[in-house]
Amino acid sequence: AQSVTQPDIHITVSEGASLELRCNYSYGATPYLFWYVQSPGQGLQLLLKYFSGDTLVQGIKGFEAEFKRSQSSFNLRKPSVHWSDAAEYFCAVGVEGYSTLTFGKGTMLLVSP
Amino acid sequence: NAGVTQTPKFQVLKTGQSMTLQCAQDMNHEYMSWYRQDPGMGLRLIHYSVGAGITDQGEVPNGYNVSRSTTEDFPLRLLSAAPSQTSVYFCASKDRGYGYTFGSGTRLTVV
Repeated sequence: AQSVTQPDIHITVSEGASLELRCNYSYGATPYLFWYVQSPGQGLQLLLKYFSGDTLVQGIKGFEAEFKRSQSSFNLRKPSVHWSDAAEYFCAVGVEGYSTLTFGKGTMLLVSP
Repeated sequence: NAGVTQTPKFQVLKTGQSMTLQCAQDMNHEYMSWYRQDPGMGLRLIHYSVGAGITDQGEVPNGYNVSRSTTEDFPLRLLSAAPSQTSVYFCASKDRGYGYTFGSGTRLTVV
């Protein structure tokens, strides 16, 4: 079965600094990969997704992620963090032929002034 | 607006009570699923369905029942609520490609 690991439970970044959130997956074939963001008390918002093709994926709100097959990783990046980016971020993996997603446990992003 | 609708948004139950969380989608998606979200645990799959009349268990199915009599609806039933079922519940539907749509969630507290 596939699995997703987000090694960092919490990350604190200064406003204006760059951000990288890590995500590693375990699956034999090429998965399709997602990053979601959740503000407190809110639902899930899709930031970006990767299915195939260019391994650098652009998303909303200035986020991007890079799929690295050799490292089984799909790290999320943003060059300059804004205070409004403070939220919880979830990486998820889907598998061809399966109808559900497997989620990581999430990374809480705190933004300091 | 097309999407996944979950009701209610908030619910408080007493231990032992039963209730049904409703989920409806109007996108004609075949695939639907239920997740629960707990602090530090991410979202975990409870049950899912690949079409009307077909359901299967996910990672944490105990204490929950589902049925899928129509394409549009996928209710989640708690037969005898327990405090361990206090959680936020999300319903999702998926098209034949890679598009997932999530509902806004139901926050359930069992006292």
